[in-house]
This record gives sequence, C-alpha cells and structure tokens, in this order.
Amino acid sequence: DTEVTQTPKHLVMGMTNKKSLKCEQHMGHRAMYWYKQKAKKPPELMFVYSYEKLSINESVPSRFSPECPNSSLLNLHLHALQPEDSALYLCASSHSGEKYNSPLHFGNGTRLTVT
Amino acid sequence: AQTVTQSQPEMSVQEAETVTLSCTYDTSESNYYLFWYKQPPSRQMILVIRQEAYKQQNATENRFSVNFQKAAKSFSLKISDSQLGDTAMYFCAFMKPPGDDKIIFGKGTRLHILP
Repeated sequence: DTEVTQTPKHLVMGMTNKKSLKCEQHMGHRAMYWYKQKAKKPPELMFVYSYEKLSINESVPSRFSPECPNSSLLNLHLHALQPEDSALYLCASSHSGEKYNSPLHFGNGTRLTVT
Repeated sequence: AQTVTQSQPEMSVQEAETVTLSCTYDTSESNYYLFWYKQPPSRQMILVIRQEAYKQQNATENRFSVNFQKAAKSFSLKISDSQLGDTAMYFCAFMKPPGDDKIIFGKGTRLHILP
C-alpha cells in the first residue's frame, strides 16, 4: 500500500478541458512534488512545495498550475493541454530541511491522455 | 551541475543469479545522498536503498546492497538471489544535503529476471 495517494488513476481529457490531479499524504512530510514521466524515461521534476510554499518551478508551462491547500494536499490544475502533455504524473513527498537524508515517497501516479 | 549516469539501458539475468547495476555521478559537493529506486510495471516508484556520502560503510537491505566508491563517484546496486518480482526499471538518484529539495535521476536500467 502506498502512503501517497493520487487520484484519479487514469484521466482522458480534451485540449479544451479543465481538470485537476490530486495528491494526499499523511506522513507529516512538508515537501511535496509533482513529476512528469514519459514512457521509458526518468521522472522529470515540475514543481516542489516546501512548507506549503512553491519553492521550485522547473519552467513549466502555465497550462499546468499547482496548488498546495495544506501540508497534506497537493493539486495540479490542468487547462488547455496539448497531446504531448500525455504522460504519467507522479506525486511525491518528503521531509524538508531536515538534517538527515530524506528520500521521496511516491504515489502510484495518474496516467494522463490528452486527445 | 550534478549529473547521474546509468550506462546499462537494459539487462537480463536468470532467476536466482546475482546482478549488478552501474551508476556514476558527477558533483562538486562533499556531502550528499544517493538512492536506488525501483519502478515495476505497476508504475509506483519504490525506494530500494539509500546511502549517505559521509558514511564509508556500504548500505545493505536484505538481498540488495551497494558498492559506494566516493572517490570514483560510483554507486552500483547488487541484487543477490534475483527473483521474478525484481523485474523493473531501476533509477539511480542523487540529492544534495538538506536545504535543496531537488533529486536528480539517472536515465534508468530496465532489468528483466528470466524464469
């Protein structure tokens, strides 16, 4: 069982749709991440929230809009996506700023298809 | 900038054999963390093993162990008594000390365990 829960597991959307991906963790982690992963490639970092503040934005197009309502929740709002945005979107969490190594804990991902 | 290189895109071994996955990295940091993640077809990224750079002792987790050579900037993963469930994509990852929440992944090695 994963301790990071992502919904939905699969999402198909048109280029004019607006949808949201959701991520939840209850491990007390204060850093949360969005990664994009194409087939047979490593995850690519999109955003990092640390203590509910956006700390890293890897020059992601504005059609992706992250939101961190509280320390347990992370959303990714999607609008006007392109077919090339189809990918597996992974959420992860970790301790932040702690004085010990802090690996990422990943969710199972949302498989997004843009038609 | 830090880089992580996995030179073996794909490997196959017989069940019960031992296999070693290679990883090299480049950094000017003296303290950092290294990880191996496993991503089976179920697509969840699972932490396999972690190593702190300031620790000379190689990390072990049951059948998984690492050979950490700091001077050579090498971090290989050894899987002993391989099992069919070890079939997965394996990613080597690097993280700077706390204060930087960014993790850098290698391109991955696809490992097939053959019956």
